[in-house]
Amino acid sequence: QVQLQQWGAGLLKPSETLSLTCAVYGGSFSGYYWSWIRQPPGKGLEWIGEINHSGSTNYNPSLKSRVTISVDTSKNQFSLKLSSVTAADTAVYYCARGLSGGGGYSGYDYYYYYYMDVWGKGTTVTVSS
Amino acid sequence: SSELTQDPAVSVALGQTVRITCQGDSLRSYYASWYQQKPGQAPVLVIYGKNNRPSGIPDRFSGSSSGNTASLTITGAQAEDEADYYCNSRDSSGNHPNVVFGGGTKLTVL
Repeated sequence: QVQLQQWGAGLLKPSETLSLTCAVYGGSFSGYYWSWIRQPPGKGLEWIGEINHSGSTNYNPSLKSRVTISVDTSKNQFSLKLSSVTAADTAVYYCARGLSGGGGYSGYDYYYYYYMDVWGKGTTVTVSS
Repeated sequence: SSELTQDPAVSVALGQTVRITCQGDSLRSYYASWYQQKPGQAPVLVIYGKNNRPSGIPDRFSGSSSGNTASLTITGAQAEDEADYYCNSRDSSGNHPNVVFGGGTKLTVL
């Protein structure tokens, strides 16, 4: 049973850098996309970015200038850094495992699939002066 | 980039059937995945692919897709199904693929 355990600083001051790490236990690190997602209080889910085992990344265009996601395959861990935080970055941050591939034809249309099947418990990050 | 649109809130009588919809251009080429989130908990995957349920998800949950719209159907809704539901897919329309979530639908079971 794959489990994700995440940790990092929970209280930051404006302009500081948010830093979180997620460790993968009980499963392979390769063949998946490893994502960070956040949820501001009372709001919906926002995808931050992802990395695969070889270090290839994709980021949410709205956060790209401040986000760095890195991987340490020797430890089965991946990390998030978000620079120059403000109160708007206050949220619960989740790590998750993503899978993507060809889903086959439905009628005449070919579909792909993407889903996140394993999630961390979440880390509450508060930005306040 | 593509967006996914969901109705903010839906209600259903106990034991009845409810459909939660998600619209977006990315759904013309990607199956939506669906997540259930209860207060204070991490999201849980309930439907993925064409219409697949992870182990442990009751068979009253099902998914379907047509054009740019994906649907999550709960047949015989139970009190424990009251939660927020989010759809999700990859968006490959731009220069770099990214991932999008719908705004979420709050389901109330009456």
